[in-house]
Amino acid sequence: DAGVIQSPRHEVTEMGQEVTLRCKPISGHDYLFWYRQTMMRGLELLIYFNNNVPIDDSGMPEDRFSAKMPNASFSTLKIQPSEPRDSAVYFCASTIPGDYGYTFGSGTRLTVV
Amino acid sequence: RKEVEQDPGPFNVPEGATVAFNCTYSNSASQSFFWYRQDCRKEPKLLMSVYSSGNEDGRFTAQLNRASQYISLLIRDSKLSDSATYLCVVNTGGGSYIPTFGRGTSLIVHP
Repeated sequence: DAGVIQSPRHEVTEMGQEVTLRCKPISGHDYLFWYRQTMMRGLELLIYFNNNVPIDDSGMPEDRFSAKMPNASFSTLKIQPSEPRDSAVYFCASTIPGDYGYTFGSGTRLTVV
Repeated sequence: RKEVEQDPGPFNVPEGATVAFNCTYSNSASQSFFWYRQDCRKEPKLLMSVYSSGNEDGRFTAQLNRASQYISLLIRDSKLSDSATYLCVVNTGGGSYIPTFGRGTSLIVHP
């Protein structure tokens, strides 16, 4: 199994530009999570999906952030317009019900200048 | 009170030492518990689940104290390669598989 796959690994963009982060969960995992990690705030849950349906997006910082999961093997997190304070590492993780833990992708390191 | 709290450290120990971390959680209904390890500029990786009866994996021992609402991680015979940040993870339960992460405890093992 290739694990959770995220792209791109690194993204540098200018303030005001649209940024799209991508995630492919492990096949068969029906929960998908998007996290943001910064030194100041640690790992923050932004949104999670169950069977492709967004369940809780209360962690999304503001309307500039949106996430979709059009099918079981693909999800996107979009920031439009991006701001310097969005600079962080964004992780995607997936799991199945039970005490199996969560598998993380390698993350996308976003820098907004 | 934060949902999951950890001492950020750093814990600075010599090779071969035994070191222990605690993590407290606020939701008494929490049902699943994990320890994750995160290396610098890498993703968190599952180290071990934590079971009510306690469990061991080589040099690592995890314990759960539901009455006091904390979990612990004990590392024996520390290696240089154990240097990392250790994250405590708690599921709130009630059929939910939504994890809450602690901020992590930094461990530095020196020669």
